[in-house]
Amino acid sequence: AQSVTQLDSQVPVFEEAPVELRCNYSSSVSVYLFWYVQYPNQGLQLLLKYLSGSTLVKSINGFEAEFNKSQTSFHLRKPSVHISDTAEYFCAVRDSGYSTLTFGKGTMLLVSP
Amino acid sequence: DTGVSQDPRHKITKRGQNVTFRCDPISEHNRLYWYRQTLGQGPEFLTYFQNEAQLEKSRLLSDRFSAERPKGSFSTLEIQRTEQGDSAMYLCASSLVVQGSYEQYFGPGTRLTVT
Repeated sequence: AQSVTQLDSQVPVFEEAPVELRCNYSSSVSVYLFWYVQYPNQGLQLLLKYLSGSTLVKSINGFEAEFNKSQTSFHLRKPSVHISDTAEYFCAVRDSGYSTLTFGKGTMLLVSP
Repeated sequence: DTGVSQDPRHKITKRGQNVTFRCDPISEHNRLYWYRQTLGQGPEFLTYFQNEAQLEKSRLLSDRFSAERPKGSFSTLEIQRTEQGDSAMYLCASSLVVQGSYEQYFGPGTRLTVT
């Protein structure tokens, strides 16, 4: 069975500092990987995804994630965070032969001035 | 298109009562998913439909839970004889199954509190 581990439940950072949110997964087959963001009192929004091809994927608001097959990781990074990035971030995996997503427990990113 | 909508947004009920939630997916999407999210956890898959057919159910979906998508459009999730452990956010998502498309679009959720 596939599983997703987000080791950090909370990551506090100062505005304009870099951040990395870690995600590791376990799966025996090829996978698709996703990062979702959840702002307070809102639903999940897709931030970025890896399906195939280039292992580095980027979002429109400055986040990027790199698929590392040998380390089974898909860490999320941003070189300079803003207050508005404060939210909960969920990593999710989908095995290529299945339709459902398996989520990690989430990492709360807290950006302070 | 206004995205995935869910109704109600909040529901408070007493233990033992039945509750029903509704999800309206993005109009052209043929797949609809239900997830449950408890405090401090990520969403957990419950069930999904392709058009009106329920294709998969998680072992989390006890016999007190039933989901329908009668006309392949909106879906309902009913919980009978609610228990305090059913308190959670119930999320609905939809997707369009076409080559290369794997994105699920989520609604705002229905927060259930069982007292």
